[in-house]
Amino acid sequence: GEDVEQSLFLSVREGDSSVINCTYTDSSSTYLYWYKQEPGAGLQLLTYIFSNMDMKQDQRLTVLLNKKDKHLSLRIADTQTGDSAIYFCAEKESGGGADGLTFGKGTHLIIQP
Amino acid sequence: EPEVTQTPSHQVTQMGQEVILRCVPISNHLYFYWYRQILGQKVEFLVSFYNNEISEKSEIFDDQFSVERPDGSNFTLKIRSTKLEDSAMYFCASSEGTGVTEAFFGQGTRLTVV
Repeated sequence: GEDVEQSLFLSVREGDSSVINCTYTDSSSTYLYWYKQEPGAGLQLLTYIFSNMDMKQDQRLTVLLNKKDKHLSLRIADTQTGDSAIYFCAEKESGGGADGLTFGKGTHLIIQP
Repeated sequence: EPEVTQTPSHQVTQMGQEVILRCVPISNHLYFYWYRQILGQKVEFLVSFYNNEISEKSEIFDDQFSVERPDGSNFTLKIRSTKLEDSAMYFCASSEGTGVTEAFFGQGTRLTVV
């Protein structure tokens, strides 16, 4: 079945860039997502990318997709203390919404002052 | 800003008991979902619901589970006879459609089966 893997922790200094990586196995993944979960809150959609794109930029966020290696990354420029959260990579074959998303375990982003 | 709300935030139940987890989706949304995350594991899809019926479900969603939209605002997940392995964080989500559309997740209900 589909699988999504992420490292569990990432520690960065405030002001540096954070790069959170994700690999997936399903070659028919059409949509790839990054969700953010702050303590006590739900999963918030940060950004998504279609499989026919290589890159998407949205303010401080840059998503890179290497479809050949099935590797997705999320770069957060100028990381702030408010970026401290768990970041989930997710994929699905088709459509949007939240139907049948396959999530990774989530990466805890820790910000050092 | 509209949000998905879930109650209770934490539920403790004895093994074998029935439990109902409640969700209030965003009011104009038509698609509803349940996910769960066992501690230390991945967030897993359980079921999606549209037009008063299940549209998709995973292998996890067996006969012990059921979903219902009893009125115009609530969306519930029932577990008939809870097992220890049902202990998890359960997330409800809703979306307006299924195109490239954002799904909004609730804050989760932590279910502990003892």
